[in-house]
Amino acid sequence: GAVVSQHPSRVICKSGTSVKIECRSLDFQATTMFWYRQFPKKSLMLMATSNEGSKATYEQGVEKDKFLINHASLTLSTLTVTSAHPEDSSFYICSAKREVTEQFFGPGTRLTVL
Amino acid sequence: GQQLNQSPQSMFIQEGEDVSMNCTSSSIFNTWLWYKQEPGEGPVLLIALYKAGELTSNGRLTAQFGITRKDSFLNISASIPSDVGIYFCAGPPVVGSNYKLTFGKGTLLTVNP
Repeated sequence: GAVVSQHPSRVICKSGTSVKIECRSLDFQATTMFWYRQFPKKSLMLMATSNEGSKATYEQGVEKDKFLINHASLTLSTLTVTSAHPEDSSFYICSAKREVTEQFFGPGTRLTVL
Repeated sequence: GQQLNQSPQSMFIQEGEDVSMNCTSSSIFNTWLWYKQEPGEGPVLLIALYKAGELTSNGRLTAQFGITRKDSFLNISASIPSDVGIYFCAGPPVVGSNYKLTFGKGTLLTVNP
C-alpha cells in the first residue's frame, strides 16, 4: 500500500510553454499533497501544500501564478509550470499524506526547459 | 525556519560494514522520519518514529527517536551494495503546521563491494 505515482517521469519543453505534472495516490485517499523541488545533490525544498477542495498554500518565495496547483480529487493533484524558462528545470516530486505525519513520495518528474 | 542538521554528509564504506548517521535540531520534533532516495527516484519511507526514546527496526535498519526529541539516528547493519543512496531525516517540527516536513540535507552512502 501507500503508492504514489507521477506523470510524466520526464518532460522536455521549449521556453515559454506550460507543463502539467500529475500526482496520484493509487491506493489511499489524500486530502493533502505536497509539491517539492529538488536541485542536483540537494535536499527537497517544499514549494506548496495542495489541499483537496481549497486553494493551495505556497511557501515563501514560490510564485503561485507560475506554479499552479489544482487538487481536484482525493487522489489527484496537478502542478502546472506556466511559461517555463530554463531556470525552472529541476526535479519535481510530489508526496501524499496518509496518516497523521507519514508522507509517501512519487517517483519524481525531471523537467528540462530548453 | 526549522533546520535539521544531518551528519555525516557522505560516507564511503566497504560491503559488510555497519553504518550510523544522525540528525539534530535546535527545536523539538514530534515525529522523525527516515527516507532513502536513489538517483532519479523519489524518497522512500524507511522508518517512522513517533515517541521519544522509541527504537524501531526495519530489517537491517534501526532508528531511534532521541529522549530530548531533538535528535534521531539511523543505523544500517551489514551493509550491501544496494544500500547505496541518499538518506534523509525529516519531520514536522511544529504541531498544527499541516504536517509540512523539514528535511535534513541528506547523507550520501556509497558501498564498495
